[in-house]
Amino acid sequence: GENVEQHPSTLSVQEGDSAVIKCTYSDSASNYFPWYKQELGKGPQLIIDIRSNVGEKKDQRIAVTLNKTAKHFSLHITETQPEDSAVYFCAARVGEALNFGKGTSLLVTP
Amino acid sequence: EAEVAQSPRYKITEKSQAVAFWCDPISGHATLYWYRQILGQGPELLVQFQDESVVDDSQLPKDRFSAERLKGVDSTLKIQPAELGDSAMYLCASSFRGGYTEAFFGQGTRLTVV
Repeated sequence: GENVEQHPSTLSVQEGDSAVIKCTYSDSASNYFPWYKQELGKGPQLIIDIRSNVGEKKDQRIAVTLNKTAKHFSLHITETQPEDSAVYFCAARVGEALNFGKGTSLLVTP
Repeated sequence: EAEVAQSPRYKITEKSQAVAFWCDPISGHATLYWYRQILGQGPELLVQFQDESVVDDSQLPKDRFSAERLKGVDSTLKIQPAELGDSAMYLCASSFRGGYTEAFFGQGTRLTVV
C-alpha cells in the first residue's frame, strides 16, 4: 500500500519566520495530496490541497508544492503566527484510500 | 455549516467490555472513513465505505472490530472485547466521493480502556 513519510516530526520557529514541512510518498498512482491541521482535542481540518496535475498552489500565507518525479510535496507557511501552532498532517490518495503521514508538531513562539 | 457528527466524544471502558461509536457524515457524502489515531501519530485507516459497501477493511482487526453502514448514511464502529491497546482517538470522515474531493473529519471519540 501507499507509504507516506513526513519530516520533521517537530518544528519550532519564531513568529514571523517561515515553516516548511516535507512529505514523500511511494505510490506513483497517488493523485491528490491534502494537508490537515489538527488542534488539541479536535479532528483534523483541511487547510490546503493539491492535485497531481498541478505543481504549486497558494492560499494567502500557505502554499503547497508537488514534485511528481521525485514523489514529494511540501507545505510552506510564511509569516507564521502563534495561532499556527498545531500538528500538521500530509496525506496522499491513491484510488479511494487516503493515507496519512505521522504528523509535524509546529510551535510558533512570540 | 455541515459537519461530521460523532458520539460519544469520550468513552472510558474496562477491558473485555464492548464499546460502540457512532458517526453521521455530511449529508450527501457517499464515502465514509473510520480512522484510528494513537497519540502522537497520524490517522490510520480502519475501514472505508462507499455508500453501504465496504471498499477497504484490510487494516480492521476483524476478530474484535466490526463496522456497518446499513443504509449508506450513518455508521457504527464496534469493538468487542476491548483491549488496553485499543485506547486511541477514533475519527470518522466523509467525502462526496473519493478522488479529488475533500475529506471532512468529525471531532473524534477519545477511547480509554482501563
